[in-house]
Amino acid sequence: DAEITQSPRHKITETGRQVTLACHQTWNHNNMFWYRQDLGHGLRLIHYSYGVHDTNKGEVSDGYSVSRSNTEDLPLTLESAASSQTSVYFCASSRDRQETQYFGPGTRLLVL
Amino acid sequence: AQTVTQSQPEMSVQEAETVTLSCTYDTSESNYYLFWYKQPPSRQMILVIRQEAYKQQNATENRFSVNFQKAAKSFSLKISDSQLGDTAMYFCAFMILAGKSTFGDGTTLTVKP
Repeated sequence: DAEITQSPRHKITETGRQVTLACHQTWNHNNMFWYRQDLGHGLRLIHYSYGVHDTNKGEVSDGYSVSRSNTEDLPLTLESAASSQTSVYFCASSRDRQETQYFGPGTRLLVL
Repeated sequence: AQTVTQSQPEMSVQEAETVTLSCTYDTSESNYYLFWYKQPPSRQMILVIRQEAYKQQNATENRFSVNFQKAAKSFSLKISDSQLGDTAMYFCAFMILAGKSTFGDGTTLTVKP
């Protein structure tokens, strides 16, 4: 079955380290999104991509970067992890821009 | 910029009863999409229901239905015959045609036996 996966599911890192979170989807969706969810709040958009080699900044993009070299993957990199980036990170994908987004299971990141 | 407001941080309902979750939004867009997502303790985001703004008819999915009032910018979710498995956090979300979504802060719903 087609799906969207994230790895790792849990990550502990130290302040200043570079961290990369993986997102992989097998639906062949054009659009992929990264969100963060802080305790007690909704999701906020970090970066998104409408296709290979296309990336765009969301509302909370500072300190994060993405690259899209193929349809299936959109890795999220924290260049220099900060304690404020402790959060749960969700990846999502959709076939077309007006289509419903489907979410991965999330990655819980703790920055010490 | 779009904003989504869920004014009820927590709600509870007895099993088999009906509950309504509120959502209001603010936008200058005329065409957009609205969603309700469910997030159980597993943290998986699950689509509950979707509404296209150009459709006047309210969306329904089994026990879940919405009351969409475009002029009032209101999008409430009604859950009928509540079940214990409905216990979760519910998020209202707004999506513009370009695919960017804005989420509310969520309503934690507890269904009591």
